[in-house]
Amino acid sequence: KAGVTQTPRYLIKTRGQQVTLSCSPISGHRSVSWYQQTPGQGLQFLFEYFSETQRNKGNFPGRFSGRQFSNSRSEMNVSTLELGDSALYLCASSLGTGYPQETQYFGPGTRLLVL
Amino acid sequence: AQSVTQLDSHVSVSEGTPVLLRCNYSSSYSPSLFWYVQHPNKGLQLLLKYTSAATLVKGINGFEAEFKKSETSFHLTKPSAHMSDAAEYFCVVSGAGNMLTFGGGTRLMVKP
Repeated sequence: KAGVTQTPRYLIKTRGQQVTLSCSPISGHRSVSWYQQTPGQGLQFLFEYFSETQRNKGNFPGRFSGRQFSNSRSEMNVSTLELGDSALYLCASSLGTGYPQETQYFGPGTRLLVL
Repeated sequence: AQSVTQLDSHVSVSEGTPVLLRCNYSSSYSPSLFWYVQHPNKGLQLLLKYTSAATLVKGINGFEAEFKKSETSFHLTKPSAHMSDAAEYFCVVSGAGNMLTFGGGTRLMVKP
């Protein structure tokens, strides 16, 4: 099976712009979660989508949003970019049972640089 | 609420010597615990996971971890380090709804 894919791999934006990141999960997986990784804050949970609905949300401002399509592919959008949004954004997919022991499989990430 | 503390931000070992990466967790219920590894410019790869079936968990590439409830620990070990083990390692606890809480990470350096 193909793994989790994320596009684009690298992005450079300027403050105030918006950006959309894409994630394609492993075939058959219905849950997609997004994480932000920065040197200062480490890895933090953004949100999780299952069956086109946001099921869980982390502690991030409303500028961070997402959606999921019927084929389980997910997009994440960040509006009004700030310098602090520079990070590696990781997407993870899983079957979506909701059980804590379920394994999440991560993509390679999208590295966003905000100038 | 749950949390994870990785006790060492950096660990340096010589090739062929044992590896010990320490992790303590806090959880209000029986936790599901994971170790992931991240090589430079790569995503996260699952090394192993604990789901209460057995306290000693074997993972890929010779790694294993022991769940100790009395010590709230889930330390990662490997008998003999290899140069290819140099990477960042994350101890993770899973909560309801697929939300993962990550430790701060331990960077493992392997000297020839």
